[in-house]
Amino acid sequence: NAGVMQNPRHLVRRRGQEARLRCSPMKGHSHVYWYRQLPEEGLKFMVYLQKENIIDESGMPKERFSAEFPKEGPSILRIQQVVRGDSAAYFCASSPSGGSDTQYFGPGTRLTVL
Amino acid sequence: KQEVTQIPAALSVPEGENLVLNCSFTDSAIYNLQWFRQDPGKGLTSLLLIQSSQREQTSGRLNASLDKSSGRSTLYIAASQPGDSATYLCAVKKVQGAQKLVFGQGTRLTINP
Repeated sequence: NAGVMQNPRHLVRRRGQEARLRCSPMKGHSHVYWYRQLPEEGLKFMVYLQKENIIDESGMPKERFSAEFPKEGPSILRIQQVVRGDSAAYFCASSPSGGSDTQYFGPGTRLTVL
Repeated sequence: KQEVTQIPAALSVPEGENLVLNCSFTDSAIYNLQWFRQDPGKGLTSLLLIQSSQREQTSGRLNASLDKSSGRSTLYIAASQPGDSATYLCAVKKVQGAQKLVFGQGTRLTINP
């Protein structure tokens, strides 16, 4: 059973471009969480999704950021018109349900904005 | 608003020593607390999860304790090894509401051979 998969592992974008980060949850998991880790900081929650639904997006910046988890395929975190401050490691986690289950983390995508 | 603090931010000890990492949280109404390990450039590996009704959990050389009333948790590492060098993160989950984890900033641990 493969773990949580994220791609790409490293992504370089120039200011103003779009970044798309993908997350495939563990098999059988229908709940996905995105976290961001800025340099020298802890992980901060961004958004919690179930299939086709955004449950909690309280940690998402109001502009330029969006997330989806379609019925088929991976979850996508999309950042439009990236700025240097978006440079960070973005981690995805998944769980079988949204209750007390442990969240299993992927290896992360390291975004660098030039 | 829940805040999680980890002290110290960095720790360097000789191989073989026993050591304690600290985690404190401001809101005692938590569902569980989890300790993770993060290696440079890698993802997070879950080490131990303590439910709010539990006092401690053990796995091999690791022991995590939880004192919910005082808002504290410790991670005890026995007989440390160079392979234990990593950043250790604690995270809490609230009782109700969002399913998000609230993380501390981590303790960067270096075990010197």
